[in-house]
Amino acid sequence: DAGVIQSPRHEVTEMGQEVTLRCKPISGHDYLFWYRQTMMRGLELLIYFNNNVPIDDSGMPEDRFSAKMPNASFSTLKIQPSEPRDSAVYFCASSFGQPIAKNIQYFGAGTRLSVL
Amino acid sequence: GENVEQHPSTLSVQEGDSAVIKCTYSDSASNYFPWYKQELGKRPQLIIDIRSNVGEKKDQRIAVTLNKTAKHFSLHITETQPEDSAVYFCAATLSGSARQLTFGSGTQLTVLP
Repeated sequence: DAGVIQSPRHEVTEMGQEVTLRCKPISGHDYLFWYRQTMMRGLELLIYFNNNVPIDDSGMPEDRFSAKMPNASFSTLKIQPSEPRDSAVYFCASSFGQPIAKNIQYFGAGTRLSVL
Repeated sequence: GENVEQHPSTLSVQEGDSAVIKCTYSDSASNYFPWYKQELGKRPQLIIDIRSNVGEKKDQRIAVTLNKTAKHFSLHITETQPEDSAVYFCAATLSGSARQLTFGSGTQLTVLP
C-alpha cells in the first residue's frame, strides 16, 4: 500500500480564496483524521470520521472550515474564505478500528498551506 | 476530555548519552500511549507504544515506561545518535472505544555530535 496520500503537498493562496485539501486513506482503514500543525499550537485534531461519518468535529476552528468524506477512499478539508492565520501544515491520518488492533494512526506527508 | 502535558519542550544531549522525555495525562481511563517521531519536514511516525496493562516496553535503543497510578509515561532513548534528532510527541487515547489521540506539545531532541 502507498500509505496515506495527501494533495497538494504545498499550497500558496491569497487571503479570501477557497482552499481544498485532499486525502486518500490507507485501503481498509475505517478511521480518518484531519490535523493541523503549527509551531504555536502543536498538533491539533480538527475532525475525524468513522466509516465516512463525522464523529467529532469539535476541533474545527470555525465555520470557515468544513470536511467531507464522500466514500471510504477520499476526504476533503475545505477552508473558505482562507485567512493568513490558517497557514499551517495539515495532516491527514488513517487507522484500522477493529478492537484487536491498536490505535496506530498512519500519517500522510501533509499539505503545507501558506495564505498570503 | 483528555489532556496530555509533555516535558521538556527542547532537549540537547551529546551523542551516546541517554535522553528522557516525560508526559502526564489527565484521564485515568486512557489505556493506550503511543510515541511518534517527526523528523524535520516529515510526517509523524509511530516509534513505540504501550498499553496500560504493561509497565515497560523496550525496542532496541528505545523504551517506554508507564506509571498508571501517577498517570505519567516516559520515553527513554539510550546511546543516542544524530539520526535521533527530531521532534517527539507522546499521545494518549482510550483504545477500543474513542479513536482520537490527544497529543502532547512535542519535544525537540537534538543530538550533538
